[in-house]
Amino acid sequence: RKEVEQDPGPFNVPEGATVAFNCTYSNSASQSFFWYRQDCRKEPKLLMSVYSSGNEDGRFTAQLNRASQYISLLIRDSKLSDSATYLCVVTGNYGQNFVFGPGTRLSVLP
Amino acid sequence: DADVTQTPRNRITKTGKRIMLECSQTKGHDRMYWYRQDPGLGLRLIYYSFDVKDINKGEISDGYSVSRQAQAKFSLSLESAIPNQTALYFCATSGGGYWDRGSSSTDTQYFGPGTRLTVL
Repeated sequence: RKEVEQDPGPFNVPEGATVAFNCTYSNSASQSFFWYRQDCRKEPKLLMSVYSSGNEDGRFTAQLNRASQYISLLIRDSKLSDSATYLCVVTGNYGQNFVFGPGTRLSVLP
Repeated sequence: DADVTQTPRNRITKTGKRIMLECSQTKGHDRMYWYRQDPGLGLRLIYYSFDVKDINKGEISDGYSVSRQAQAKFSLSLESAIPNQTALYFCATSGGGYWDRGSSSTDTQYFGPGTRLTVL
C-alpha cells in the first residue's frame, strides 16, 4: 500500500461547481498535512495547511480525520484558474520527510 | 528574484554521461531536498540535507549523489546517466518550523522551477 493515496481523477467540472478530493495516508504517526497545487510543468506550491480542527481559506476548505487517516479538500464555486493537479502531502515524525501523493488532476470547464 | 533557483532548466544528454544539477536558495533555510517527478508516480525523494554536514538518502537514491557546498547550495549528480533517469527534477527548501502535537507544523516546502532532464 502506498503511503499516500489520492483519487486518481481527472475531475472535469463546469465553472461554479463544487468539487471534493480525498486523500488517505498509511502512517498513523504522521504529524502534519498539506495540500499543494501544481500547474502543468511547474513547481508545486503550497495551497493550504490542514489543521486538526479543519480550516477554510476563501473557497477552499480542508478537513482532517485522524481516526480514519484521511484528508479532504473542498473547492466551492470552481474557477477556470483552479484547473491544476492537487497534491496531498503528509509529513512523518519530526518532519524529516514529506511524502507526496500522486496528485488529482482537476479541469474546470467553461 | 526567485527564492529557489535551479540550473539548468532543461538538459538533454546521452547515456553514460555525468550530469550535475544545481540548486541555490536565498530563503536562509537549513533544509534542502531533491525530488524527481514521473507521470503517475508523483514526487519521490532522492536525497535531503538538514544542514551542511547532514546528508540523507531518500526513497530512490541509487544512481544519484549530492553535495551540500554551503547552506544555500545543494547539487545533485548523476554519475553515469541512464534513460530511466529521464524525469522532471525539483529542488526544495524548508525552514524546519516547529512541531506542536495536536496542531499543524509551521513547516512548508518551497520548490524551485524544476529541471527537465532527458537521457537518450
